[in-house]
This record gives sequence, structure tokens and C-alpha cells, in this order.
Amino acid sequence: IAGITQAPTSQILAAGRRMTLRCTQDMRHNAMYWYRQDLGLGLRLIHYSNTAGTTGKGEVPDGYSVSRANTDDFPLTLASAVPSQTSVYFCASSDRSGGGYTFGSGTRLTVV
Amino acid sequence: AQSVTQLGSHVSVSEGALVLLRCNYSSSVPPYLFWYVQYPNQGLQLLLKYTSAATLVKGINGFEAEFKKSETSFHLTKPSAHMSDAAEYFCAVSDTGNTGKLIFGQGTTLQVKP
Repeated sequence: IAGITQAPTSQILAAGRRMTLRCTQDMRHNAMYWYRQDLGLGLRLIHYSNTAGTTGKGEVPDGYSVSRANTDDFPLTLASAVPSQTSVYFCASSDRSGGGYTFGSGTRLTVV
Repeated sequence: AQSVTQLGSHVSVSEGALVLLRCNYSSSVPPYLFWYVQYPNQGLQLLLKYTSAATLVKGINGFEAEFKKSETSFHLTKPSAHMSDAAEYFCAVSDTGNTGKLIFGQGTTLQVKP
């Protein structure tokens, strides 16, 4: 089934630890995005990539990094997790034709 | 910069009643507009989208939305609510330029009472 796969589904992480959230799509979409969802704040863009080899900062990029080595994968790394990074993280992709996004099922991350 | 405002973080309706979820946007260029639905513990699913064709857009599950440029609105409606419509709904507007980025509203939780 075509779509986006995120892993892990959930994770409890000790503060200060490094963590990579994985995202893989099989739709050959050029653009990929990482959002965090927090109660009352909706979805906020962390980082994005318009095509393989390029990345850009979103609204809340601090403490996060991304890479886009190929079309399919777009991992999000927390170099040193802090409790304020407790959130639900969604990966999305788009063909940028105006059709909107396809979302993954999310990763629920708790930093303690 | 573009922005989206969803009026009302919580909306409660009775089963069979009209659903109206409000969305106003700010954009310096003709926008693309979207409504997404999120069921508990799931990702977001596209309900419908406006991309400068017909101003009345029909989506899945009986939902529709009307683009009103004069009011900068894109409200979501459904004539008769069903229990399965209980979810969180997000309005979104495309960012300026050809970035493909979407700007999301804060979301509206729809409760459907029996």
C-alpha cells in the first residue's frame, strides 16, 4: 500500500539522549516535511525538503536536524533531547502540484 | 505571511444536526486551501481541497466547503452529523511561492452527541 511509514510508533526518551525518527515514502514525492503537533498549537513545521539533497528550516527548527540523501527517506534527528520536545511528530510528503500532503501515522515521543 | 484562523477549538453538535466548522485565512496571493481530518491516534487525512477551480468543493464523507474570497473564508459543512464524524479538523493554506508548504490552523475538535 502506497504511503508513508514512520518509526517508531512511540518512544520514551531520557533527556540528553540522541534520537532519530524515521520516515519513508514510496510515492516518489519530491517534497517531504516534518511537523510537530501540540495541544492547542496545531501542527508546526520543523523542517522540509523540496527535493533530494536539499533541506530547509520551518517554523520551529531549533534542536532538530534532517537529511535527504534520497527521494524516499527523510529522517529527523534530535541531537540532545529536552522535555519540551515531547510531542507527536508527523512526517508528510507532497508532489507539490497543489494536491496537498500525505501524512504518516505519527511518532509519539516523550522526553523525561 | 499567510495564516489560518479556525474559530472555535471545540464544536459540539447532536447527531443529525448541521456541522459548521469555521476557517478564515490570510493570503497575499490566490491560495490553495485544504481541510484535513484526524481521528484519535491517527495521522491526518485529506477531506477536500480548493485549488482555484469551483468555489464549492465537495469532499469525502459528505463534507463540503465553500471558498469566499470577499470574506477570506473556507468554512467546512456537513448537512447531517454522524457519530463517526467525531474527530479533530484542521484547515490549511498553501504557503506563498512554489514551496508546497502548508500553514495549519490550530484545529477544531468536533463532538457529536447521540
